[in-house]
Amino acid sequence: AQSVTQLDSQVPVFEEAPVELRCNYSSSVSVYLFWYVQYPNQGLQLLLKYLSGSTLVESINGFEAEFNKSQTSFHLRKPSVHISDTAEYFCAVSRTSGTYKYIFGTGTRLKVLA
Amino acid sequence: DTGVSQDPRHKITKRGQNVTFRCDPISEHNRLYWYRQTLGQGPEFLTYFQNEAQLEKSRLLSDRFSAERPKGSFSTLEIQRTEQGDSAMYLCASSLVGSSYEQYFGPGTRLTVT
Repeated sequence: AQSVTQLDSQVPVFEEAPVELRCNYSSSVSVYLFWYVQYPNQGLQLLLKYLSGSTLVESINGFEAEFNKSQTSFHLRKPSVHISDTAEYFCAVSRTSGTYKYIFGTGTRLKVLA
Repeated sequence: DTGVSQDPRHKITKRGQNVTFRCDPISEHNRLYWYRQTLGQGPEFLTYFQNEAQLEKSRLLSDRFSAERPKGSFSTLEIQRTEQGDSAMYLCASSLVGSSYEQYFGPGTRLTVT
């Protein structure tokens, strides 16, 4: 079975400061890794994903995440946050075969302060 | 591509009543997933369809829950004899097998059982 841990339930950060949202996973089989963002009153939107290849993946809005197999982590980073990045961020894993169902973490609420 | 849609967006019902939710996936997607999200938690997998076949059900899906996907298009999730513990956001997602394995989520149906 797989599990995902997001240790930080809330992360306050000032605008233009860097941020890191942590995600650790546990799995006995190979997994795909995802970060989703949920803005208030909106559905989950894919931010970025790791399937294979380069361990550093980037999104179009400046976020990046690095897959670290030895540490079983997939932390999300942004060098300079904006007020508009205020949202809840979910890390998820799926097996690389079968149903591809997601196992989600409990989420991290990012609050960007002016 | 109009995205995944869900109806209704909100449902308030009295304990003991039956409710039915609908999900319309992205038209060419052959996989459809239902998740449940309670306050402060990440979404939890409920069930999964490939085309019209329901291939996996979570232990969270008690016998009061039933899901269908006739003709492999839209899906319905019915909850019979609702309980207050059923209050949650019910999310639907779809994906295309053999593609990039990412799931596209609808806006969700928020159920409140009074």
